[in-house]
Amino acid sequence: GAGVSQTPSNKVTEKGKYVELRCDPISGHTALYWYRQSLGQGPEFLIYFQGTGAADDSGLPNDRFFAVRPEGSVSTLKIQRTERGDSAVYLCASSSGRALTGANVLTFGAGSRLTVL
Amino acid sequence: GQNIDQPTEMTATEGAIVQINCTYQTSGFNGLFWYQQHAGEAPTFLSYNVLDGLEEKGRFSSFLSRSKGYSYLLLKELQMKDSASYLCAVRDRLTGGGNKLTFGTGTQLKVEL
Repeated sequence: GAGVSQTPSNKVTEKGKYVELRCDPISGHTALYWYRQSLGQGPEFLIYFQGTGAADDSGLPNDRFFAVRPEGSVSTLKIQRTERGDSAVYLCASSSGRALTGANVLTFGAGSRLTVL
Repeated sequence: GQNIDQPTEMTATEGAIVQINCTYQTSGFNGLFWYQQHAGEAPTFLSYNVLDGLEEKGRFSSFLSRSKGYSYLLLKELQMKDSASYLCAVRDRLTGGGNKLTFGTGTQLKVEL
């Protein structure tokens, strides 16, 4: 697509429930990133995919968080047993590849706002 | 790890110039980015510096000094639509490639008449 698409834009759930957040990156972008942004803070890195594989998942806060990208395009962030502290905007970004030269800009989606009651 | 500091808030007048500073301490450095984020929207790319010096792009300029761990974003001829959060981000060297950015908390700029 023309931009990074994220669904749902808003999700309200109850503590303990399971949540899935979807990201559709820019067509042809091989690299995909998940970030989490709390109110008044900058985005915080969660996980990075190069193709289908998770190249760096060091930002996932605990084992309740998991992400997949089975066909190297769309990615799903999965949160089990949600807690109130998981409430945040979950941002997805994609970039054209692994090159560290040049800007190789991350293009962000508008985010999925998760509220855990 | 990375540590990035930038002021929390700034206020400036329409038509004026404002400079937003960013200092960083990193274990590895491979570029510094500035993003603009309006409330409730996605961060959008503004500028990129990897070598020392000034990069100019229209009303926006960004400066980098690697030896001092310092950058600034300069906005000229401020417009009301420039009211937004400005995020400083440092790119780390990732094993196997990648473009992982570590962001500061952002500077909320308010442009007033």
